[in-house]
Amino acid sequence: AQSVTQLGSHVSVSEGALVLLRCNYSSSVPPYLFWYVQYPNQGLQLLLKYTTGATLVKGINGFEAEFKKSETSFHLTKPSAHMSDAAEYFCAVRENKGTGKLIFGQGTTLQVKP
Amino acid sequence: NAGVMQNPRHLVRRRGQEARLRCSPVKGHSHVYWYRQLPEEGLKFMVYLQKENIIDESGMPKERFSAEFPKEGPSILRIQQVVRGDSAAYFCASSPQGFEAFFGQGTRLTVV
Repeated sequence: AQSVTQLGSHVSVSEGALVLLRCNYSSSVPPYLFWYVQYPNQGLQLLLKYTTGATLVKGINGFEAEFKKSETSFHLTKPSAHMSDAAEYFCAVRENKGTGKLIFGQGTTLQVKP
Repeated sequence: NAGVMQNPRHLVRRRGQEARLRCSPVKGHSHVYWYRQLPEEGLKFMVYLQKENIIDESGMPKERFSAEFPKEGPSILRIQQVVRGDSAAYFCASSPQGFEAFFGQGTRLTVV
């Protein structure tokens, strides 16, 4: 069965510092991977996705993620945190049975300190 | 273009009442997914529907929960005889072909 693990339920960084949110997945076939952001009392917004091809994926708001098959990881990074990045971030893998449903990690809350 | 519209945004029900959550997908999308987010948890898949058909309901509780996506009108998630444990945020997502999902803003259900 596919699964997603996000290491660290809370991450705190200073404004301007590097953001690194960790995601590891389990999948028996090449996965489709996603990162979503959720602001308080809002829905989920797609940050970026990996399907095939280039393993370094660039998304919105300066975020990027690198697919590393050997490490079964898809960590999310941003070189310089902004106060507006404070939110909850979810990593997800698309189920490979063809229904298209997403399997989410537990989420990581990012706090950005001034 | 309107995104996925969910209503109501907030819903308060007393124990034992019924809750009806509505989801209008992006125009032209024929695939709808419902997910539930319990406090301090990630999203869990509930059900996947295409027009007039339930394709996968493996995440739905066996009792009191039902979903539909009629030929005309929004998708409905119905919870009968709500209990406190049903308090959660319920998200709908739509997709044109079962791939990239676009999420609504959710309905936050509080059972008192």
